[in-house]
Amino acid sequence: DTAVSQTPKYLVTQMGNDKSIKCEQNLGHDTMYWYKQDSKKFLKIMFSYNNKELIINETVPNRFSPKSPDKAHLNLHINSLELGDSAVYFCASSLSGTGLYEQYFGPGTRLTVT
Amino acid sequence: ELKVEQNPLFLSMQEGKNYTIYCNYSTTSDRLYWYRQDPGKSLESLFVLLSNGAVKQEGRLMASLDTKARLSTLHITAAVHDLSATYFCAVGTMNRDDKIIFGKGTRLHILP
Repeated sequence: DTAVSQTPKYLVTQMGNDKSIKCEQNLGHDTMYWYKQDSKKFLKIMFSYNNKELIINETVPNRFSPKSPDKAHLNLHINSLELGDSAVYFCASSLSGTGLYEQYFGPGTRLTVT
Repeated sequence: ELKVEQNPLFLSMQEGKNYTIYCNYSTTSDRLYWYRQDPGKSLESLFVLLSNGAVKQEGRLMASLDTKARLSTLHITAAVHDLSATYFCAVGTMNRDDKIIFGKGTRLHILP
């Protein structure tokens, strides 16, 4: 009964391909996030959704498109993959309204673009 | 724009020693988080600090928050090898959009 799960765990693909990463949480949270962690371990937020509504949309190439079919799921689709997209992508979730906004992270998806 | 700075970025220390990691942030915030990340793993929440003067302890780790100085510290007491990891502080914006900004992380290596 994993709290925040992501699939796949590893993804190796060629430049120009389109790929998707899926995230699911069973914590009953209403807010979900995508982060990118680069090779230097720097974590940067990309998107967040609250109850299926886009809340945070950082300066991310429009090749990246998040989709939230319901508040327990947040997927990330990436078009025309580039070498610079290689990174670990983390999904996270939190419960709004508590004042804590503590985020719980998934195991990560290591994307390698060749 | 909120900026979060951690120092040191890398720390190698002997078992049994004490040390402190510092986290400074540039604008007012009312919530600060410490996370731990083991190599190749996810981030694990350690502490949530919400008020000035807040202090939380878990085992050999103690975190504190001074909102006036915009400073949080993570103190390690009598370090053991199992504490080797990367420690991130993250600070919430005041926009109430749940956004948190991470520091660059402190890679802690404890020598047996």
